[in-house]
Amino acid sequence: EAGVTQFPSHSVIEKGQTVTLRCDPISGHDNLYWYRRVMGKEIKFLLHFVKESKQDESGMPNNRFLAERTGGTYSTLKVQPAELEDSGVYFCASSQGSGGFEETQYFGPGTRLLVL
Amino acid sequence: KNQVEQSPQSLIILEGKNCTLQCNYTVSPFSNLRWYKQDTGRGPVSLTIMTFSENTKSNGRYTATLDADTKQSSLHITASQLSDSASYICVVSDYGDYKLSFGAGTTVTVRA
Repeated sequence: EAGVTQFPSHSVIEKGQTVTLRCDPISGHDNLYWYRRVMGKEIKFLLHFVKESKQDESGMPNNRFLAERTGGTYSTLKVQPAELEDSGVYFCASSQGSGGFEETQYFGPGTRLLVL
Repeated sequence: KNQVEQSPQSLIILEGKNCTLQCNYTVSPFSNLRWYKQDTGRGPVSLTIMTFSENTKSNGRYTATLDADTKQSSLHITASQLSDSASYICVVSDYGDYKLSFGAGTTVTVRA
């Protein structure tokens, strides 16, 4: 079974540009999560989808970040316009079932974003 | 202030030796605690999960302990191998909340 995949693996952009990250969850997983790890800090929650609906986007830093999950399959996270502080590793994770606290979330390899 | 603190930040050990990583948390109410292993360039992979009533859980050469009273956990690696070189992340779940609180991780380097 394929795991969670993310594209691209790395992205280097200039401040003010737009970048779109993609996540393909494990097939059949209704829950999809986005996380971010900035340099030297811990991984932090950004948002949670249940199928195509945003269940919780309380971790999104500001309105420059837009996440979508049309059709309830893959998800995209767009940053527009990118700022220097957006640099970091963006992880996607997915889980089955109700998305409760006891479920194991399976993580993708992450997208390393560098904003110059 | 982060609710999950890990120590040490990094450590280097010789192949075949043992080591213990520490995790203190303030997440409340507590649901479960997981240890994840993150290899370079990969996403975190769950090693162990412990709920409030469990105080030890093993996965091969990895043994995690939990003291829910003092809100401390440890991960013990026995007879380390080169493949154990990775970042080990302590992750705590709030009861009734799917959002995870992550520690900053301990980077373990195993040398031959």
